[in-house]
Amino acid sequence: ELKVEQNPLFLSMQEGKNYTIYCNYSTTSDRLYWYRQDPGKSLESLFVLLSNGAVKQEGRLMASLDTKARLSTLHITAAVHDLSATYFCAVDRVNSGNTPLVFGKGTRLSVIA
Amino acid sequence: DSGVTQTPKHLITATGQRVTLRCSPRSGDLSVYWYQQSLDQGLQFLIQYYNGEERAKGNILERFSAQQFPDLHSELNLSSLELGDSALYFCASSPQGLRNTEAFFGQGTRLTVV
Repeated sequence: ELKVEQNPLFLSMQEGKNYTIYCNYSTTSDRLYWYRQDPGKSLESLFVLLSNGAVKQEGRLMASLDTKARLSTLHITAAVHDLSATYFCAVDRVNSGNTPLVFGKGTRLSVIA
Repeated sequence: DSGVTQTPKHLITATGQRVTLRCSPRSGDLSVYWYQQSLDQGLQFLIQYYNGEERAKGNILERFSAQQFPDLHSELNLSSLELGDSALYFCASSPQGLRNTEAFFGQGTRLTVV
């Protein structure tokens, strides 16, 4: 069974600081996704990482994937309040087709002044 | 706006009742997924349909059922509702045949069972 673990689950950080969220998964997969969710809202796709060594950046967020270590990271640079949200990583159950995503429990990020 | 439409947005009902949640996928998307999000269980995959056929089943209770219609919209039926069924129910869609893509989520239906 594919398991996806995120840490930390809760993160309170000051504006302007950097931090990294980690996502580990238990079985072989070469596709990993990061989503953002604001309270009571839908999930918004942030990044799709499709191969080992993939790195994607959007604004203050950068995601990377190491399939050998079964690890993805979401790095936050110089945090601002607007980044406060819950961040989920998700992995495909199998390595083919459009199969359901297995989500981590999410990291609730709170950026404070 | 992801292009995935869910109705209703909110639903309050009593224990023992039955409700139907509706999802219209993005234009052209053949796969529809249902997820349940609760505080204690996180995001749980319930069921997937592809072009009208059930493709994968997750942690879906026997009291729950779903279907996908010829026009590709999907319905999730929840019956004999219990307090613990209160949750956000998300529908997501993705195109089939394009391997490297992600699922796009609707706004969700917040179900409250009282």
